Amino acid sequence: GAVVSQHPSRVICKSGTSVKIECRSLDFQATTMFWYRQFPKQSLMLMATSNEGSKATYEQGVEKDKFLINHASLTLSTLTVTSAHPEDSSFYICSARQPNRDTQYFGPGTRLTVL
Amino acid sequence: QKEVEQDPGPLSVPEGAIVSLNCTYSNSAFQYFMWYRQYSRKGPELLMYTYSSGNKEDGRFTAQVDKSSKYISLFIRDSQPSDSATYLCAMKDTNAGKSTFGDGTTLTVKP
Repeated sequence: GAVVSQHPSRVICKSGTSVKIECRSLDFQATTMFWYRQFPKQSLMLMATSNEGSKATYEQGVEKDKFLINHASLTLSTLTVTSAHPEDSSFYICSARQPNRDTQYFGPGTRLTVL
Repeated sequence: QKEVEQDPGPLSVPEGAIVSLNCTYSNSAFQYFMWYRQYSRKGPELLMYTYSSGNKEDGRFTAQVDKSSKYISLFIRDSQPSDSATYLCAMKDTNAGKSTFGDGTTLTVKP
């Protein structure tokens, strides 16, 4: 199956700093990538949908100025959590979809802890 | 009301049991149905994908879709401790760019 990687897998940062998470599709070109947030023992919460070369579409209630998404190429999307605070601590997961396909392939996730 | 409702669990079964995981949905535009498995602290992985009513089998896993009842199921035969995970159903209509996920059912298979 298709492989999606995320980096870093785990990050601990101080409150007020910014953190960048990378999502890469390793063996296919992903025209669409999704960013999710998952709290312990809860399901995935879609944050935004990003299409290569265009602005991301954010879900209601997600601050676009706080969670900056860039999808600059067909294999890379980045999520930057700006001025992170402890309440931003969570498990962030990206997924990628191949062109003209309906299934998504998920990355392994990034555990963010903001002190 | 959520578009996708999933049996909440948690579910605990003995090794070798047949497991049934279920989701219902309200959006009749959903055409594509997926099941994902998520181990603790890992990203979800695609298990099954189907786009029509009926059964689809892959090894010990069978995905069942009943569009008339808006009901999907995932059956796991001869369950193993390694099947212990959270299972997420997901659905998509032909026009939507995103999938809608159920909240997940956590399964524990005891040796």
